[in-house]
Amino acid sequence: EVQLVESGGDLVQPGGSLRLSCAASGFIFRNYAMSWVRQAPGKGLEWVSNISGSGTRTYYADSVKGRFALSRDTSKNTVYLDMDSLRAEDTALYYCARLSGASGYDEVPDYWGRGTLVIVSS
Amino acid sequence: DIQMTQSPSSLSASVGDTVTIACRASQTIDNYLNWFQQKPGQAPKLLIYAASSLHSGVPSRFSGSGSGTDFTLTISSLQPEDFATFYCQQSYSPPHSFGQGTRLEIK
Repeated sequence: EVQLVESGGDLVQPGGSLRLSCAASGFIFRNYAMSWVRQAPGKGLEWVSNISGSGTRTYYADSVKGRFALSRDTSKNTVYLDMDSLRAEDTALYYCARLSGASGYDEVPDYWGRGTLVIVSS
Repeated sequence: DIQMTQSPSSLSASVGDTVTIACRASQTIDNYLNWFQQKPGQAPKLLIYAASSLHSGVPSRFSGSGSGTDFTLTISSLQPEDFATFYCQQSYSPPHSFGQGTRLEIK
């Protein structure tokens, strides 16, 4: 059974940093790209970033480019989202999702975690 | 970047009805169109991928169609558990933008 468990969400001050983790199980981790999608309170879904199965390719939304960095550790079956220079508008529930293939470019988020909450506020 | 526009933003229907939700892309995305269902307090769930392929375990009353820029999600014979918010997403090229969502409510 595919399982994705996010962690690391917290209350952080504007300008601060945070690392989110997504622990994966139930599938061959290196064969699948991974994705982060966020949802601000009461709002719709916003795509954030993808990483290829090999970890060599990453893609970012313009709203986070240069501030967020996505990486993965195959030995730990974990994906990391490093978030810097956080802003109030980054406040959201952050979901980790498995993509249906390895490239990270054109695949489908087929399984999702339950999310971890990030609040950016002073 | 590709913009996704859903319509309507909300609709009311009764159990047993058939409803259709539309999604339009700002440029052609071939059939790289996905549909998700999200219930309050839950993560989104994939319903349809590649415009018309049913994800594993999804009931056959859900169906999708379209290609290019115009797509539809149809739910036949609505069940009580179907009332939720639905999102389309393009996976043609990053950024993989979502539509703004369609809230389906019980009439």
